Amino acid sequence: EAGVAQSPRYKIIEKRQSVAFWCNPISGHATLYWYQQILGQGPKLLIQFQNNGVVDDSQLPKDRFSAERLKGVDSTLKIQPAKLEDSAVYLCASSPLRGRTDTQYFGPGTRLTVL
Amino acid sequence: GNSVTQMEGPVTLSEEAFLTINCTYTATGYPSLFWYVQYPGEGLQLLLKATKADDKGSNKGFEATYRKETTSFHLEKGSVQVSDSAVYFCALSASNTDKLIFGTGTRLQVFP
Repeated sequence: EAGVAQSPRYKIIEKRQSVAFWCNPISGHATLYWYQQILGQGPKLLIQFQNNGVVDDSQLPKDRFSAERLKGVDSTLKIQPAKLEDSAVYLCASSPLRGRTDTQYFGPGTRLTVL
Repeated sequence: GNSVTQMEGPVTLSEEAFLTINCTYTATGYPSLFWYVQYPGEGLQLLLKATKADDKGSNKGFEATYRKETTSFHLEKGSVQVSDSAVYFCALSASNTDKLIFGTGTRLQVFP
């Protein structure tokens, strides 16, 4: 079974530029998550989708971050404009169902450096 | 609010040594508890989980027991290998949500 795919793996941009990340979850997984992992910290949930609807975006900085999951499969996360503090690894995860005991499967992440 | 506290690393051990990585949590109700591992250059992988008090999760020689009385979920392994070198994250999902809350991670370095 193919895992969660993410691209690009690395991205370097200057502050105030925009950037987009792409995620393809495991086939058939209804729930998709985007996490931000700052160096030295654990991942922090940014947004959660159930199919193509948003379940939780309480920690998404909506003035600069946006995300969508059209057709309930692939997802994109965008930052516009980027700030220095957005430098982090952006992780996408998916799970087959939505429940507190379900395993989330993580992609390899996109490492963003903002200069 | 809900939170997870892990011991700071790095933890440095010789091969075949005993490993303990401490994890305590704060949560209302009955959370599920997880250990995830991140090997160098790879994504996070679930190592083990426990969904109710006194459950023991185990995988690849690692174990952790859900202790509600001490709000802990310590990770243990009897004999570590060089290949266990990685960053280990303790996490919880609270009883009313599937949102994962992670600790800061503990880096384990095992030397031959």
